[in-house]
Amino acid sequence: AQSVTQLDSQVPVFEEAPVELRCNYSSSVSVYLFWYVQYPNQGLQLLLKYLSGSTLVKGINGFEAEFNKSQTSFHLRKPSVHISDTAEYFCAVSPSSFLSGSARQLTFGSGTQLTVLP
Amino acid sequence: EAEVAQSPRYKITEKSQAVAFWCDPISGHATLYWYRQILGQGPELLVQFQDESVVDDSQLPKDRFSAERLKGVDSTLKIQPAELGDSAMYLCASSFGPGTYEQYFGPGTRLTVT
Repeated sequence: AQSVTQLDSQVPVFEEAPVELRCNYSSSVSVYLFWYVQYPNQGLQLLLKYLSGSTLVKGINGFEAEFNKSQTSFHLRKPSVHISDTAEYFCAVSPSSFLSGSARQLTFGSGTQLTVLP
Repeated sequence: EAEVAQSPRYKITEKSQAVAFWCDPISGHATLYWYRQILGQGPELLVQFQDESVVDDSQLPKDRFSAERLKGVDSTLKIQPAELGDSAMYLCASSFGPGTYEQYFGPGTRLTVT
């Protein structure tokens, strides 16, 4: 089983400032890692994913995240935020191995509300 | 760009009434997921379909919830009777197949039970 912890439920930040949203996970198996963004009353949109290879992954809208296996973390960063980045951000994990006929499921954290202030 | 469609977007119902949500996945996507997202929390999987078959419904409250995907394309999630605690966003997602990792989400149905 997997679990995801997003320690910060709300992160306010001024426009053009850098931001980091923290994510830690727990799993007994190897996992894939994801960050999703959710705008008010909308579904989730994939920001970026880590499957293998380079531990620094770049996503859409200028976001990037770094996978740290020893600390079981996958923190999301952006060097300069915009008002339009205001949204809820979810970290998620999925088992990297797959057995035919089984389900590849996402386990989500509780989310971090990023509010960008003018 | 292909999208996952859901309807209705918003639903208000009284407790003890029946309610149904509809989802049309991206064309060609064999795997379909229903999630429930309670306000302030992340989505939690309710049921997963592979084509018309249920792969996992271990988190579906089967005394009141049912889900079907009769022809392996669109899907319906039903609650009967609705309870106050069912107020949440119900999200549908689809993926190309069970082994693929990327899921595409619909806009969701916001359910309010009064």
